Amino acid sequence: GAGVSQSPSNKVTEKGKDVELRCDPISGHTALYWYRQSLGQGLEFLIYFQGNSAPDKSGLPSDRFSAERTGGSVSTLTIQRTQQEDSAVYLCASSPNRLPNTEAFFGQGTRLTVV
Amino acid sequence: AQTVTQSQPEMSVQEAETVTLSCTYDTSESDYYLFWYKQPPSRQMILVIRQEAYKQQNATENRFSVNFQKAAKSFSLKISDSQLGDAAMYFCAYSSNYGGSQGNLIFGKGTKLSVKP
Repeated sequence: GAGVSQSPSNKVTEKGKDVELRCDPISGHTALYWYRQSLGQGLEFLIYFQGNSAPDKSGLPSDRFSAERTGGSVSTLTIQRTQQEDSAVYLCASSPNRLPNTEAFFGQGTRLTVV
Repeated sequence: AQTVTQSQPEMSVQEAETVTLSCTYDTSESDYYLFWYKQPPSRQMILVIRQEAYKQQNATENRFSVNFQKAAKSFSLKISDSQLGDAAMYFCAYSSNYGGSQGNLIFGKGTKLSVKP
């Protein structure tokens, strides 16, 4: 595809359930980032991938959050035992190589609502 | 730790007029980048302009320009000849250019810009 694709666009889940959010980066982009955008906290960095490795996971808020990337392409962010405070928009971005010397391209995000 | 502050939660401008959005940041680093991103209702963040801290010349991109005051740690965005399509949330962001946090964007809380016809 021409841009970064995220799915689903919207997700409503019950508290305590697990959810998976998917990110398809631009083909050939080695760097991939996940951010969380919530009303009270603004945009927060979650994790950075270079290829399939995650050199920086420092932004993951708890051990209920995990992410993987396979084939240097698709990434999945998994939230286990969701809580209401997990409700937010989860944005994915990719770039040809590690920022900030290049441009990051963002997807349209997944809006997660935990009820 | 680095921080980014946008002190204007909302701004309004008349179509064809000029508006300036403010941003200040705090860092002890010398090698970094600053960014302005636009987020329309579609939620997709779009890069508006980027400034490297080592460059003294202010970045410009068509109707968008910045006033980068390194000593004051200020990075404002000027939008000239405002258009209806400029209405969006604007985020100022910081990124270190070295070390473990290189490339991780630190965002301000945003300024919602409205454009009046």
